[in-house]
Amino acid sequence: EIVLTQSPDTLSLSPGERATLSCRASQSVSSRYVAWYQQKPGQTPRLLIYGASSRATGIPDRFSGSGSGTDFTLTITRLEPEDFAVYYCQQYDSSPQTFGQGTKVEIK
Amino acid sequence: QLQLQGSGPGLVKPSETLSLTCTVSGGSINSNSYYWGWIRQPPGKGLEWIGTIHSNGNTYYNPSLKSRVTISVDTSKNQFSLRLSSVTAADTAVYYCARQDGIAVAGKGYWYSDLWGRGTLVTVSS
Repeated sequence: EIVLTQSPDTLSLSPGERATLSCRASQSVSSRYVAWYQQKPGQTPRLLIYGASSRATGIPDRFSGSGSGTDFTLTITRLEPEDFAVYYCQQYDSSPQTFGQGTKVEIK
Repeated sequence: QLQLQGSGPGLVKPSETLSLTCTVSGGSINSNSYYWGWIRQPPGKGLEWIGTIHSNGNTYYNPSLKSRVTISVDTSKNQFSLRLSSVTAADTAVYYCARQDGIAVAGKGYWYSDLWGRGTLVTVSS
């Protein structure tokens, strides 16, 4: 099973700042099969990015994904108040598909 | 607009079987393009994929749960269901049903979840 390790666990930033979230895989993952989700407290996860860099329907262009091999990144260029949440990466290249433990983006 | 709604008991006794159903509305579960899956999240923890089904009945399970999981589909009711047997406290979680986009090749699936139903909290306790 591929283990995904996200860093940092918590990111404290102010609105308007840039957020960079990391996801490292225990073995190489095809970039076609990496996704990112956002989850707010008490809410359902929402798909942000699939295929490592493709934005899901309705996702603002301040969200972008990149990476290859074992290192993947989610970038939020300018944080809006509604972006403070927990973010999860997922690999679906190898069964079972697995998720990272999450990075919490909190208001500084 | 397609929506998913999970339903089922919120409390299950240890050693019994957890049963949940997901009803798809606003669209058909009979789609060659999509798969239908279950994902769970223990309180305060991360996400774990349980398994996935296609409307043709093909199923794909997480090996760690495979011996206890059955996922089925009822296309006439536009529903798919999860059964998890011999539950313990470790199975306490919010259970989500989701539409999954991707492909399956040679018995392996490559999906992300693009639409999620509101989760159902299932507590395992006597």
